[in-house]
Amino acid sequence: AQTIHQWPVAEIKAVGSPLSLGCTIKGKSSPNLYWYWQATGGTLQQLFYSITVGQVESVVQLNLSASRPKDDQFILSTEKLLLSHSGFYLCAWSLEGISNERLFFGHGTKLSVL
Amino acid sequence: AQSVTQPDARVTVSEGASLQLRCKYSYSGTPYLFWYVQYPRQGLQLLLKYYSGDPVVQGVNGFEAEFSKSNSSFHLRKASVHWSDSAVYFCVLSAPSGSWQLIFGSGTQLTVMP
Repeated sequence: AQTIHQWPVAEIKAVGSPLSLGCTIKGKSSPNLYWYWQATGGTLQQLFYSITVGQVESVVQLNLSASRPKDDQFILSTEKLLLSHSGFYLCAWSLEGISNERLFFGHGTKLSVL
Repeated sequence: AQSVTQPDARVTVSEGASLQLRCKYSYSGTPYLFWYVQYPRQGLQLLLKYYSGDPVVQGVNGFEAEFSKSNSSFHLRKASVHWSDSAVYFCVLSAPSGSWQLIFGSGTQLTVMP
């Protein structure tokens, strides 16, 4: 069975500090990977997607970056956090293009920037 | 432009009552439509999806949704709700094949009173 694991579960960080969030998918080779951001009480915005190792496409510019160093790993990061980065970050995977297949979501990381 | 509107931010119903959560979309053709549910502090799970064909689609846990092209709607229904159905429900749109982006509605917080 496929599993998706996000870390950390929660983070409290200072404005201007760096951030790294991780996501690992086990049991599925070459998945499509996605990062979503959910502001408190808000809807989800797609941030990045990746079809293959080393390739990441940006959907929304929020002063964040993403990388896919391994087939099963997706990293979200920034060198300087802003207050507006607070929220809930969700990693997801799918078998094929979003339009054709369901997304499977991780449990998310709650980020509070103070 | 593509968009999804969930006009009801919060819905409260009594256990055993019927439920309808509204979703309106804006898209020039026939989109792919999904309903996802988010339980507290968790990722999202797919309830059901519509690609084409029968406008009434069945999902998990007794949920169903009806697609209406004339009304540009995709309302979610359940005949009898349970307290465990309390969660946030998202209506989601995607353009057919070739699109890598999902458009999320703002979500509806459902509270089921015992």
